[in-house]
Amino acid sequence: GAGVSQSPSNKVTEKGKDVELRCDPISGHTALYWYRQSLGQGLEFLIYFQGNSAPDKSGLPSDRFSAERTGGSVSTLTIQRTQQEDSAVYLCASSRLGTYYNEQFFGPGTRLTVL
Amino acid sequence: AQSVTQLDSQVPVFEEAPVELRCNYSSSVSVYLFWYVQYPNQGLQLLLKYLSGSTLVKGINGFEAEFNKSQTSFHLRKPSVHISDTAEYFCAVSDTGSGGSNYKLTFGKGTLLTVNP
Repeated sequence: GAGVSQSPSNKVTEKGKDVELRCDPISGHTALYWYRQSLGQGLEFLIYFQGNSAPDKSGLPSDRFSAERTGGSVSTLTIQRTQQEDSAVYLCASSRLGTYYNEQFFGPGTRLTVL
Repeated sequence: AQSVTQLDSQVPVFEEAPVELRCNYSSSVSVYLFWYVQYPNQGLQLLLKYLSGSTLVKGINGFEAEFNKSQTSFHLRKPSVHISDTAEYFCAVSDTGSGGSNYKLTFGKGTLLTVNP
């Protein structure tokens, strides 16, 4: 079956512009996660959705970052007024439920480059 | 809070040689442990996990890992590697608490395994 998909695969933007990154989770997965993978910091948790609500936004680095999920499915991560330090690979994952024993399946990521 | 240390950022080995990728963690609570693999331009894939029971865990592609609570380690091993094992490997932990946070994975910075012919 289809895995987690993300779009775009690559995004180049200018400093100060807004960007939207999209994640399509595996059908039927109620839990969705965003992570950021950068050279200096490794893989960092950003936000967790259970259904359409986000009980844990603790990893969002600043108020320029926001995310939403609609219909218990697609999620969009928005970064406003992008900065060069936002350059990274943004990974989305989904799982059947939001518990440890439910394997998180990862998408291929969106590589964001801020010039 | 938890942290994960992967002691080697890069490990080069020859094909058919054994390999061990080291992972140590720090946590004030009990943890579950995971190893993920990331092939070039792909997302992460779960290799194996330790939740409870036997401390030796076997995963996909011939990998295994051993949980050592006293040394707070979860090293990944394979007795004979192939060229196709070239990838980045991530160790991760989550807490075991019932308070609802056990979905959150804390990752190490990764170890790039390069298998040479």
